[in-house]
Parts: sequence; C-alpha cells; structure tokens
Amino acid sequence: GQSLEQPSEVTAVEGAIVQINCTYQTSGFYGLSWYQQHDGGAPTFLSYNALDGLEETGRFSSFLSRSDSYGYLLLQELQMKDSASYFCALRSGNTPLVFGKGTRLSVIA
Amino acid sequence: GAGVSQSPSNKVTEKGKDVELRCDPISGHTALYWYRQSLGQGLEFLIYFQGNSAPDKSGLPSDRFSAERTGGSVSTLTIQRTQQEDSAVYLCASSLVTQYNEQFFGPGTRLTVL
Repeated sequence: GQSLEQPSEVTAVEGAIVQINCTYQTSGFYGLSWYQQHDGGAPTFLSYNALDGLEETGRFSSFLSRSDSYGYLLLQELQMKDSASYFCALRSGNTPLVFGKGTRLSVIA
Repeated sequence: GAGVSQSPSNKVTEKGKDVELRCDPISGHTALYWYRQSLGQGLEFLIYFQGNSAPDKSGLPSDRFSAERTGGSVSTLTIQRTQQEDSAVYLCASSLVTQYNEQFFGPGTRLTVL
C-alpha cells in the first residue's frame, strides 16, 4: 500500500521560514506533489518533485530525497495569507494521487 | 480560460434520498477525479476517469456510490440512499493525461445529510 505522514499542525511567525515535512511509503514511486488549501477553498497545486533535490518557485521551495522517502515544503518570508492547510501527495505507478492528511499552518504576527 | 466547475455548491438532503453531483472539467483535460473531504481531514480518493478507459473505482466506499462521465467531459457522481456519514465536501479535479501530478480542483459540493 501507500501512505504519507506529515505533521498535523505547524505555527510560525510572520516573516519567518517554515518547513513542512512529509515521509512516505510506496513502491514504484514517481513523484511527490504539494497542494495548498485555504479554509473553505479548493486545493491548488504548488509544486512537484520527481527527482532528488530542491525545486524553487518564488517564496516556496520543495525538496525530495528518494533514498530517504522524504520530502519537505519550505515557505520563506511567511505572510499571513500563507495560513492554510498543506498536503503532500504521492504518485506511484498508474494509481491516482494519494494525499496526506494535511498540515495546518498558522502564521502569527 | 474557465476552471473546473461543480454544481450544486451546497446540497442538503434527507437520509435515504439519492443525490447527484456534477463536475465540468477544464476543456481538453482527459483525466477527471472525484475526492471526498470530511471536515479537517485529507482528501479521500473516490474514482478516476481517463479518456475512454474503464474508470478506476477502487476508492468508492460502497455500492451506493457510482459515477459516470459522458462524452469524455462532464461527470456525475451519484450517491444512493444517502447516510449521515456521507456528509462531506465532494471535490472534482481534472488534469492533462501527462501531468496528473498537477490537478486542478473545482470549488466542491458541500453535502449535508440530515
């Protein structure tokens, strides 16, 4: 089977940096995606890592280590609007994405 | 262009009634997915359509749930004899066949079963 683990909640200060970790178990791994979901909103795609290393998109970066079955999302220069839930999602084989339970990020002043 | 649309946005029904939820994917997206999200929880995969292939129904929780996709575009998720535990937000997403790591979600249908 497939499974993902991520922290349920994280709190960070406005302007700071926060890292949201995701560990996974699967076979036939293709890649790890990250999605953001604001309360009452739809999930929106942030990033995708198929290869080891860091992918940067503005203030957001995502990292993958296939050998460690581990990835993280890094948010820099945190803003209040970054308060949301963040989901890692696994792609393996021909199966649809499997989503983690989500990490609720609270940004405080 | 237009994103994924879903209707209705909210649906309140009585236990035992049937409901139909509709999803209009982004034009040109051949992959379509249905998920269920309970309050404060992650996304639970329900069913996946890809082109004219047989759908992947492995996530449907019971035989009360069914879905179809007509003409490779619009999809309808049907829940028969609804139960209170079916109350959730039902999300539809679509993607290009080559990029199903990047899915585009609709706003969801909030279903409440009384």
